[in-house]
Amino acid sequence: TQLLEQSPQFLSIQEGENLTVYCNSSSVFSSLQWYRQEPGEGPVLLVTVVTGGEVKKLKRLTFQFGDARKDSSLHITAAQPGDTGLYLCAGVRSGAGSYQLTFGKGTKLSVIP
Amino acid sequence: DVKVTQSSRYLVKRTGEKVFLECVQDMDHENMFWYRQDPGLGLRLIYFSYDVKMKEKGDIPEGYSVSREKKERFSLILESASTNQTSMYLCASSPTTRTQYFGPGTRLTVL
Repeated sequence: TQLLEQSPQFLSIQEGENLTVYCNSSSVFSSLQWYRQEPGEGPVLLVTVVTGGEVKKLKRLTFQFGDARKDSSLHITAAQPGDTGLYLCAGVRSGAGSYQLTFGKGTKLSVIP
Repeated sequence: DVKVTQSSRYLVKRTGEKVFLECVQDMDHENMFWYRQDPGLGLRLIYFSYDVKMKEKGDIPEGYSVSREKKERFSLILESASTNQTSMYLCASSPTTRTQYFGPGTRLTVL
């Protein structure tokens, strides 16, 4: 079973601070996705990283895929209250049924005004 | 705009009842998925379907069944609901690009 470990599990920070969330595995994934889920809603895709070492930016969010495609990080600069939510990483499983995703347990972020 | 709808946002049922959760997508996606989400356990895949009338077990299929008679509709069935099936249920669909589009979820409570 391919597992994804996310850390930290909970994070509470003040508006304007920077933060990094990690997603680690002992398995190689063909690609990795990050989702954000707001209370009472389903997860929404933020980004997909495919190539080892790839860095993608989405406004104040920077996503990086590890060189070995086993880990990823999400860095938020100058966090805003609107960034509050559950951040989930998901790896695309290799092999048959390649449309399945393995999800991490998530990092619950609270940004305090 | 991509849209996945689920039949109920909140549902309360009694132990032993048969429960149907409906999911509809309007994007002509081939793949559809049912997950449950529990605190500390994350999203766990129950079943998925890659075509009409086709279904595959996910990681936790016990106590559940599914039906996909039409491409746009994927139903999750709890044959005899139990209290340990109290959870948030999320439906998703995806085209071949692997991005999954989620519905808003159904919070099911089994008393």
